[in-house]
Amino acid sequence: AQKVTQAQTEISVVEKEDVTLDCVYETRDTTYYLFWYKQPPSGELVFLIRRNSFDEQNEISGRYSWNFQKSTSSFNFTITASQVVDSAVYFCALSEYGGATNKLIFGTGTLLAVQP
Amino acid sequence: DAMVIQNPRYQVTQFGKPVTLSCSQTLNHNVMYWYQQKSSQAPKLLFHYYDKDFNNEADTPDNFQSRRPNTSFCFLDIRSPGLGDAAMYLCATSLFKQGLDTEAFFGQGTRLTVV
Repeated sequence: AQKVTQAQTEISVVEKEDVTLDCVYETRDTTYYLFWYKQPPSGELVFLIRRNSFDEQNEISGRYSWNFQKSTSSFNFTITASQVVDSAVYFCALSEYGGATNKLIFGTGTLLAVQP
Repeated sequence: DAMVIQNPRYQVTQFGKPVTLSCSQTLNHNVMYWYQQKSSQAPKLLFHYYDKDFNNEADTPDNFQSRRPNTSFCFLDIRSPGLGDAAMYLCATSLFKQGLDTEAFFGQGTRLTVV
């Protein structure tokens, strides 16, 4: 069975601090996709990144970086120099690879509160 | 510009009274999904359409149905809403064709209240 675990329910930081959101996944598939989505108070899910299981390279995009480690089944997300606008719920998700769909299995989310 | 549009943003319905939520997209994506997200929980896939092919998740209650009359529109019908169906309903789209598989794009959701 596929499962995504985000052990951190809530994190509170002060602006400009770095913060890492943890994600651990379980799957029997040898190939799969991993995702991070941001859900601000307005409700829509905003896509941040998709990583396929073939590619274990870490990725950096501005203040965001992702650390994918297949050996520990983890796909952690770091925000550097956090800002108030980063306050949101962040979801890690898993899907099958190669199918015609984005059938996402979501973790329970981490609520990030960035205080000014 | 909004690419996946859900109407209405907020819907109040009476217990047992059928309700329809709508989703439209300007992306010309061939796959459309409906997710249910209860308060403080993760979104959960109810079903999806790949073109006209409907795919129901095994644990989606029969109370939930969907229609996709054309590429741009998809509807979620709740035949007899119960109090437990109060949730945010999220529509998403993606494009799949040989050699290309995009990520899912989500609408802003419809928050359903059952009274």
